[in-house]
Amino acid sequence: QKEVEQDPGPLSVPEGAIVSLNCTYSNSAFQYFMWYRQYSRKGPELLMYTYSSGNKEDGRFTAQVDKSSKYISLFIRDSQPSDSATYLCVGNAGNMLTFGGGTRLMVKP
Amino acid sequence: NAGVTQTPKFRILKIGQSMTLQCAQDMNHNYMYWYRQDPGMGLKLIYYSVGAGITDKGEVPNGYNVSRSTTEDFPLRLELAAPSQTSVYFCASGVGTGELFFGEGSRLTVL
Repeated sequence: QKEVEQDPGPLSVPEGAIVSLNCTYSNSAFQYFMWYRQYSRKGPELLMYTYSSGNKEDGRFTAQVDKSSKYISLFIRDSQPSDSATYLCVGNAGNMLTFGGGTRLMVKP
Repeated sequence: NAGVTQTPKFRILKIGQSMTLQCAQDMNHNYMYWYRQDPGMGLKLIYYSVGAGITDKGEVPNGYNVSRSTTEDFPLRLELAAPSQTSVYFCASGVGTGELFFGEGSRLTVL
């Protein structure tokens, strides 16, 4: 079993839709979680960073962590074509980051 | 500000050849990492370094070597290339275990 699992997609939505990207994890040692966004043929870049269970909002993006069920979500409101990318869920335990395989999102105009 | 610079961007190797992927950062970060990314498999850590002169193995170190003689540079050496090393390689740097800054990647094909 992978430590961080994501549906690879692709997830295709119309512009303006609310997007929900989900991730499950198995390592109870993860202390905090991150979402990285990766555009095609580019390196990943940090999008959101969250420590504890609950919600964290940043503009159109909301990250949600439920440690009791080991479930992480990223919501994107009013999605734009520029949001088309692969979204990587990441867990952190000590010195190591564990990346999920990523979910590819396509937002169509 | 260049950030993390990787060279080359693309390379084709024959089985058994060797090469070095270069990585340089200008942010004075102590932590540097090499990852490989295969389709649908996420990023796998090859080697990392917490400062000049200090390196350690990650999850998939076999077939690779690294050195860290300066804070800025962290080259990755591939010895005796094999088809299983066909991948996209990313170098990253950071100040700890928080945000990592990635290069644009080096696409390697071993034939």
